[in-house]
Amino acid sequence: DIQMTQSPSTLSASVGDRVTITCRASQSISNWLAWYQQKPGKAPKLLIYKASSLESGVPSRFSGSGSGTEFTLTISSLQPDDFATYYCQQYNSHLYTFGQGTKLEIK
Amino acid sequence: QLQLQESGPGLVKPSETLSLTCTVSGGSISSSIYYWGWIRQHPGKGLEWIGNIYYSGRTYYNPSLKSRVTISVDTSKNQFSLKLTSVTAADTAVYYCARGGSSFTWGQGSLVTVSS
Repeated sequence: DIQMTQSPSTLSASVGDRVTITCRASQSISNWLAWYQQKPGKAPKLLIYKASSLESGVPSRFSGSGSGTEFTLTISSLQPDDFATYYCQQYNSHLYTFGQGTKLEIK
Repeated sequence: QLQLQESGPGLVKPSETLSLTCTVSGGSISSSIYYWGWIRQHPGKGLEWIGNIYYSGRTYYNPSLKSRVTISVDTSKNQFSLKLTSVTAADTAVYYCARGGSSFTWGQGSLVTVSS
């Protein structure tokens, strides 16, 4: 199985901050990586697919980068609605796997 | 616009079979460029991919669940289904269905509780 390791597990930040979340794969996944945002009681919302493609309707303050084994999700200027949990997901192999999540909290 | 909706019993007894259906609207389940999958999330925990089914009928399952899982498609109803046998309390989770391809569309999720 491909293991996905996200860091940090928790991130405290303020409105307006630029934040970056990292996801590392245990082996190369090319660019087959997605990022999701999840709020309590809701389904995950797709933000980024194929490592850097912005899903339709997602604000441009979200961006993704990386390939191979290291990937980042960047929020350029945090808004109040962005405080949530974020997950990465690899879909390079037929057994898809997720990172353990990063909880983004208000400082 | 593509929408997926999970349905099925919210309560299942231990040792019985969990059965969920995902109804697809706004798109055809017969498309060869997409595949269909199930994911679950235990209460307060992270996400776990259960398995996928492809246009060809080929399935791929999480090895940790493989002996108990079956995913199937009913093209006549534009639905696909999940069956998980011999459930225990550890199978209590929110179950999501999803369409995959280069990106993903998810359903809203269905909470299934395993309890007598």
